Amino acid sequence: QKEVEQDPGPLSVPEGAIVSLNCTYSNSAFQYFMWYRQYSRKGPELLMYTYSSGNKEDGRFTAQVDKSSKYISLFIRDSQPSDSATYLCAMNKNNAGNMLTFGGGTRLMVKP
Amino acid sequence: NAGVMQNPRHLVRRRGQEARLRCSPVKGHSHVYWYRQLPEEGLKFMVYLQKENIIDESGMPKERFSAEFPKEGPSILRIQQVVRGDSAAYFCASSPRPIVGTEAFFGQGTRLTVV
Repeated sequence: QKEVEQDPGPLSVPEGAIVSLNCTYSNSAFQYFMWYRQYSRKGPELLMYTYSSGNKEDGRFTAQVDKSSKYISLFIRDSQPSDSATYLCAMNKNNAGNMLTFGGGTRLMVKP
Repeated sequence: NAGVMQNPRHLVRRRGQEARLRCSPVKGHSHVYWYRQLPEEGLKFMVYLQKENIIDESGMPKERFSAEFPKEGPSILRIQQVVRGDSAAYFCASSPRPIVGTEAFFGQGTRLTVV
């Protein structure tokens, strides 16, 4: 079983829709949770970061972490065609120097 | 992040050849991480280096793969005697201190194709 599970999609939505992306994980030691966006043939870029449980909002993006359920979500409001990309969740433990553990990524397509 | 420079962007090697991938971290960053991404998969950690030291190589295959981050110059990921299964995108990330959260910046990757 993978430490971090993510539905690969693809997820296809019309422009303006609310998008919900999710990851589940098995290791309760994870404390830091991140969402990366990766356009085709590009490197991952950090979108959102949350420490421990709770919500964080940044413009059209909201990240949620539920540590009791080992479940994290990224919501995108008013989705745009430019949001079409692969979204990767990542997490790491509370130890300095620890590497990031990624989900497999969800491919999102927002159609005009 | 444009600050992490990887080259080459694309590399084609025949089976049995050596591949050398370079990563120049963001100026001032002394921590470098290498990840591999197979088609349609997420990134898998390979190795974590500080200047002149390998800190964690738990994700590196035991044979044919090596990494270094010398005092001067870029970090190098070296793959000897490449096989088709080594075809992947290799990403480097750098940070000013050990990663705890948001401080890692990724390069654009090197796409290795073994023919």
